[in-house]
Amino acid sequence: GQNIDQPTEMTATEGAIVQINCTYQTSGFNGLFWYQQHAGEAPTFLSYNVLDGLEEKGRFSSFLSRSKGYSYLLLKELQMKDSASYLCAVKGSNYQLIWGAGTKLIIKP
Amino acid sequence: GAGVSQSPSNKVTEKGKDVELRCDPISGHTALYWYRQSLGQGLEFLIYFQGNSAPDKSGLPSDRFSAERTGGSVSTLTIQRTQQEDSAVYLCASSLVASGGPNPYEQYFGPGTRLTVT
Repeated sequence: GQNIDQPTEMTATEGAIVQINCTYQTSGFNGLFWYQQHAGEAPTFLSYNVLDGLEEKGRFSSFLSRSKGYSYLLLKELQMKDSASYLCAVKGSNYQLIWGAGTKLIIKP
Repeated sequence: GAGVSQSPSNKVTEKGKDVELRCDPISGHTALYWYRQSLGQGLEFLIYFQGNSAPDKSGLPSDRFSAERTGGSVSTLTIQRTQQEDSAVYLCASSLVASGGPNPYEQYFGPGTRLTVT
């Protein structure tokens, strides 16, 4: 079957760094997405990885290892507004995105 | 610019009634997706449209659920004889195309319709 695993909840301190992991098992692989979803709002696109390695975009970076079926989202210089759920999604062999249940990130002052 | 819009934003209905949810995708986006999200849960895929065709309806929970898309644009999701377990946020997303290079894969989400069945 197809499966996306990520931690349910994480807590971090304002100004610190946090890494949210995602492991996947899918039939085919055509890219991995990270989305941010604030409570009561729609998900918004953060990053896309299709090749191995690190993609950096400001305070956020995303890493992919296709051989390990593994990705992480790295958030630096955490701000209170980063409190949200972070969704990992994989595009398999067809058009569909397979979604993880999301990681709720709580930022404490 | 105009994003994906959905209406209504909130819908409270009695068990057994029919409801219709509407999605206006971004102009020019050929692919349209419906998802359901229960409180604290991930996204549950319901149905996907490429143009006006729905190649995959496998995510629809039961035959009480149906969806259509007209003119390659607006889509409606209809739930007949609603049940309490249908209560959730229904999200619509669109993308430029369903396959291709990286950017066309990005799905743009609407604000969702919160459905409460009493």
